[in-house]
Amino acid sequence: ETGVTQTPRHLVMGMTNKKSLKCEQHLGHNAMYWYKQSAKKPLELMFVYNFKEQTENNSVPSRFSPECPNSSHLFLHLHTLQPEDSALYLCASSQDVGGYNEQFFGPGTRLTVL
Amino acid sequence: GQNIDQPTEMTATEGAIVQINCTYQTSGFNGLFWYQQHAGEAPTFLSYNVLDGLEEKGRFSSFLSRSKGYSYLLLKELQMKDSASYLCAAADSNYQLIWGAGTKLIIKP
Repeated sequence: ETGVTQTPRHLVMGMTNKKSLKCEQHLGHNAMYWYKQSAKKPLELMFVYNFKEQTENNSVPSRFSPECPNSSHLFLHLHTLQPEDSALYLCASSQDVGGYNEQFFGPGTRLTVL
Repeated sequence: GQNIDQPTEMTATEGAIVQINCTYQTSGFNGLFWYQQHAGEAPTFLSYNVLDGLEEKGRFSSFLSRSKGYSYLLLKELQMKDSASYLCAAADSNYQLIWGAGTKLIIKP
């Protein structure tokens, strides 16, 4: 238990569906992250939020839309995804933004796009 | 470009010692992390090195050489529960983490 929860743990969706991933952290951290993890590939940083403000968007396609209503919650809205978007989506948080801060990860959402 | 290299897979025997190497090339450097990830679980923090040298934490130690762009994670007295992927990540000049693809460690009895 890392103090970061994600729901759902598994999600299967069609290319025309709209779904949302949810992340919640109970650590009082200021920064939250979305990562994509594909088999045998490095973690890909998608979005970074610091005090609810987006500070990084690593050229992520617009079919992924993040939302951060407060420092404890982070959403990733999905629409018209492609099969190559199938992956494990990890949420993480850290005390502050900055590579010297240890990141705490959630268990991830295993997404399959049909 | 920025890059992290680590072996894809390693096999070791229970009770033995294993060293997982990581080389990095980043624009600036602000430290190197090791994380452990069991199959189907979240990555968890193991160590952070920013100065040259060896840091020991129980059965696990991490080493850094900034001049060589090199780090290793040393696992002693291996246990079956150490079977996992080990992720190396370097922080660049903007403090953004550059991740390796991970090393899958298989422990055999």
